Amino acid sequence: AQKITQTQPGMFVQEKEAVTLDCTYDTSDPSYGLFWYKQPSSGEMIFLIYQGSYDQQNATEGRYSLNFQKARKSANLVISASQLGDSAMYFCAMRGGNTGTASKLTFGTGTRLQVTL
Amino acid sequence: DAGVTQSPTHLIKTRGQQVTLRCSPKSGHDTVSWYQQALGQGPQFIFQYYEEEERQRGNFPDRFSGHQFPNYSSELNVNALLLGDSALYLCASSSESPEQYFGPGTRLTVT
Repeated sequence: AQKITQTQPGMFVQEKEAVTLDCTYDTSDPSYGLFWYKQPSSGEMIFLIYQGSYDQQNATEGRYSLNFQKARKSANLVISASQLGDSAMYFCAMRGGNTGTASKLTFGTGTRLQVTL
Repeated sequence: DAGVTQSPTHLIKTRGQQVTLRCSPKSGHDTVSWYQQALGQGPQFIFQYYEEEERQRGNFPDRFSGHQFPNYSSELNVNALLLGDSALYLCASSSESPEQYFGPGTRLTVT
């Protein structure tokens, strides 16, 4: 069984500052993938970043980076230079099974990020 | 390049009724997954379709069924609706790469 834990129900960050959203995971699969999604109030889940368990380097996508610490089973999302439009729910998710094949995602409970002036 | 589309956007049904939700995947994607997101929670996996067959299924009762068409679009059917079925239903599409892209969702209210 796979499990994702997000311990921060809500976070505040000032505009232009960096923020880290925590995510820990548990799985028995030797190969897995970790995702972060953003969900604005409109409801759509927006894909942000992906990290494969065998990737040697931490994933980066623009202002988003994933701090992957395999031994600690953590996959924290770092957002640099926060913008007001970053205010949303953020979900960490995991996929088990063979790399490259679609598989079900297991989601955490989410962290609500509020960016302030 | 069209992303994942879902219809309808909102739906109100009465207990005991049946509902059909529709999803068109992103261009080039052949796999469709359905998720249920109750208020204040993360999405829960319902099932996944590939090559017109159910490939994986989550812990949902048989009242939840689906279908995938030759053009890769998909339907989610829920029979004998319960109040607890009220949720946002999300469709995600994918191909050989691991990323899953979600549609805007259908918000179902059961009264």
